[in-house]
Amino acid sequence: DADVTQTPRNRITKTGKRIMLECSQTKGHDRMYWYRQDPGLGLQLIYYSFDVKDINKGEISDGYSVSRQAQAKFSLSLESAIPNQTALYFCATSDTTSGGTTTGELFFGEGSRLTVL
Amino acid sequence: GESVGLHLPTLSVQEGDNSIINCAYSNSASDYFIWYKQESGKGPQFIIDIRSNMDKRQGQRVTVLLNKTVKHLSLQIAATQPGDSAVYFCAENTFRLGFQKLVFGTGTRLLVSP
Repeated sequence: DADVTQTPRNRITKTGKRIMLECSQTKGHDRMYWYRQDPGLGLQLIYYSFDVKDINKGEISDGYSVSRQAQAKFSLSLESAIPNQTALYFCATSDTTSGGTTTGELFFGEGSRLTVL
Repeated sequence: GESVGLHLPTLSVQEGDNSIINCAYSNSASDYFIWYKQESGKGPQFIIDIRSNMDKRQGQRVTVLLNKTVKHLSLQIAATQPGDSAVYFCAENTFRLGFQKLVFGTGTRLLVSP
């Protein structure tokens, strides 16, 4: 089983619909992230969470919201989907070293492909 | 400003050749760099990393070189195999106020011909 699991893997929806992408992890990491990947633009950070009570905006948070339901679960919502949110979305996790800084290594899920018509 | 770019969007090599994928970064304060491999339909996977106090780091068939003078990072893959075909991303990891910010490049596609 994958350490970082995303659902759904593929979703087609219509403009204006509310969409939730879910992420769960079994790695025991405290930090979780949502990234968006568009062709030719690399990975852009949407939101990140360092623990259950900590939520932070990333580079492109407009139009998105998140919820950290538990250490192992981090969901991304599009309240009213629009076509330019068509993209591949990745959840990732990382650990915190004993020194308080991260290793830098992110562990990614398999991705959720979202198409907004 | 911050930017991480790649010199070549696609690199085609023959099986058995050595591959070199390049990456330029602009933030001289970045102290940690990572290479990720992304195969079709999968999420990025960590390959190798290097800290700014190092010039070279070797893994299994891979070597990362860091040239801080010209802000250049490269990934060398020895004896490239068909299974190495993927998109490769460099990422610049900057620690600020105790947390990391990863800035990813746009990726280079490596195509390995048998």
